[in-house]
Amino acid sequence: EPEVTQTPSHQVTQMGQEVILRCVPISNHLYFYWYRQILGQKVEFLVSFYNNEISEKSEIFDDQFSVERPDGSNFTLKIRSTKLEDSAMYFCASRGRAARVNSNQPQHFGDGTRLSIL
Amino acid sequence: LAKTTQPISMDSYEGQEVNITCSHNNIATNDYITWYQQFPSQGPRFIIQGYKTKVTNEVASLFIPADRKSSTLSLPRVSLSDTAVYYCLVGDVPRGSTLGRLYFGRGTQLTVWP
Repeated sequence: EPEVTQTPSHQVTQMGQEVILRCVPISNHLYFYWYRQILGQKVEFLVSFYNNEISEKSEIFDDQFSVERPDGSNFTLKIRSTKLEDSAMYFCASRGRAARVNSNQPQHFGDGTRLSIL
Repeated sequence: LAKTTQPISMDSYEGQEVNITCSHNNIATNDYITWYQQFPSQGPRFIIQGYKTKVTNEVASLFIPADRKSSTLSLPRVSLSDTAVYYCLVGDVPRGSTLGRLYFGRGTQLTVWP
């Protein structure tokens, strides 16, 4: 079964450094998402992306964050200057187009990147 | 966006059927109901999605009454490996220029005992 893959599985970075988290969505999917989960807390939406544009972003997704689809397969999340509070699991998700009107496709998640900021 | 309410935790024994009920009184006409499973240090895994009546796949069934204000996830004959957090979510339907987003609650921690 196709799956969303994320690399690295664990990233340790010094505060203030830039970090890029990588995702390979399911191949025929068109809609892409990033979520995060701080240890012991809920999964939170960060951003959605389609056709090389951000569709929606949450209040968490400030100017330090950016997303990119640099080629036909990868989808990346960049944090420009990391802070201690950016430590979390970051999940990428993708979704296919609904097969017909009045139907829906669910989001499928990767297993995440654990980001640890020191 | 419709808010969901589900039990914080449930316990079961191996081989039993588990039913987790979720309330979503404010569900909108176009909203779908989706359930995810999450193990520690892993991403949410899609289990099942439905709009009305009953949906069944190889791992679970989803029962949705006519008023759609609640739903029940049914896991037949659970095993130890079904111990996880289960999330009920509604909405997440792309509309116009928005792609849909998932609002996770705390979910239900299911613990299966031998």
